[in-house]
Amino acid sequence: DIQMTQSPASLSASLGETVSIECLASEGISNDLAWYQQKSGKSPQLLIYAASRLQDGVPSRFSGSGSGTRYSLKISGMQPEDEADYFCQQSYKYPPTFGSGTKLEIK
Amino acid sequence: QVTLKESGPGILQPSQTLSLTCTFSGFSLSTYGMGVGWIRQPSGKGLEWLANIWWDDDKYYNPSLKNRLTISKDTSNNQAFLKITNVDTADTATYYCARMVLITTSFDYWGQGVMVTVSS
Repeated sequence: DIQMTQSPASLSASLGETVSIECLASEGISNDLAWYQQKSGKSPQLLIYAASRLQDGVPSRFSGSGSGTRYSLKISGMQPEDEADYFCQQSYKYPPTFGSGTKLEIK
Repeated sequence: QVTLKESGPGILQPSQTLSLTCTFSGFSLSTYGMGVGWIRQPSGKGLEWLANIWWDDDKYYNPSLKNRLTISKDTSNNQAFLKITNVDTADTATYYCARMVLITTSFDYWGQGVMVTVSS
């Protein structure tokens, strides 16, 4: 299985601050990477697919980048509603695997 | 508008079989490129993919649970199903179904989840 190492495990940011979350794959995944946001008590929501494509309806302050084995999610200007858990997921090979998650809180 | 909703028994005993149903609308599992996956999440923990089924009835399973999983679909009634045999307390989790589209291979719509507790 492809292992997805996500960092940091937790993060606190001030409103308006830019934050980044990273995922490192155990082998190259050819941009087959998605990012999800999960608010407390809710189901995950797709933010980014194919490493950098913004899902319809997702605010443009979210962006994704990366290649090969290293990928990142950036939030440009933290908003109160961005407080949530974030997960990466690779779909390059079965089984699809998720990162362990990043808990993002407001400072 | 795409929606999915999971249903299940809520609580069951060790060694029983867990049967889950995903009822969806807004797409068809007979349409090229459409798929449904099952993912679970123990309370306070991360996400674990379990299985996918595709429009052409192709099926994929998580190797760590493969012998215990069966995924199927009823295209006419817009439903997908997952069975997990011989459950134990480690199977206690919230179970989600989600749509996966072939061209993006990401889960773009998720159900609200159903909590399943395995307890004697």
